[in-house]
Amino acid sequence: KQEVTQIPAALSVPEGENLVLNCSFTDSAIYNLQWFRQDPGKGLTSLLLIQSSQREQTSGRLNASLDKSSGRSTLYIAASQPGDSATYLCAAGLQGAQKLVFGQGTRLTINP
Amino acid sequence: EAQVTQNPRYLITVTGKKLTVTCSQNMNHEYMSWYRQDPGLGLRQIYYSMNVEVTDKGDVPEGYKVSRKEKRNFPLILESPSPNQTSLYFCASSLMGNGRAGWEGMDEQFFGPGTRLTVL
Repeated sequence: KQEVTQIPAALSVPEGENLVLNCSFTDSAIYNLQWFRQDPGKGLTSLLLIQSSQREQTSGRLNASLDKSSGRSTLYIAASQPGDSATYLCAAGLQGAQKLVFGQGTRLTINP
Repeated sequence: EAQVTQNPRYLITVTGKKLTVTCSQNMNHEYMSWYRQDPGLGLRQIYYSMNVEVTDKGDVPEGYKVSRKEKRNFPLILESPSPNQTSLYFCASSLMGNGRAGWEGMDEQFFGPGTRLTVL
């Protein structure tokens, strides 16, 4: 059974810092891995999708990497801003399965 | 604009009063799904559909029904809501990723804005 873990559960950093959010998964037979952002009480916004054959994807100040062999993905945020404050969720899309398996999320606070 | 819409966004109801939460997508996606999000439990799949008239149970289907009569719509039905169904509900859709051997997984999933349901 696929399990997805995100550590830490919460992170607080000063504005301007570069930071890394971690995601680990137990079964390397994933089809893809998706990173989402969720603002309090709001929906999920897709940030980046990495296919199992890819090593990384970039969008603006965000870079996501995938290492299937070690069961890890990271989301790198460069030059953090207060507007980046949100909960970040990673989700594993399983090979031959019809759902995403979500981590519990990392609640990120960027302090001005 | 490509999007997934849900209605209503907020709903307060009483135990036993049947309700329907609608979900619609305009991206011609085959796959649609419902999740619920609860503190400490994260997001859990309720039901999914891989095409019109094709639906199946997710991890927490008890107390819910769905139907897929049209490709764009996937309503979630609570026949007799109970307080333990108080939650934040999300609808999602995606294309199905196909490889040489056929269907292999789900492509990028797009989520609706959520429906906050309170059952008293």
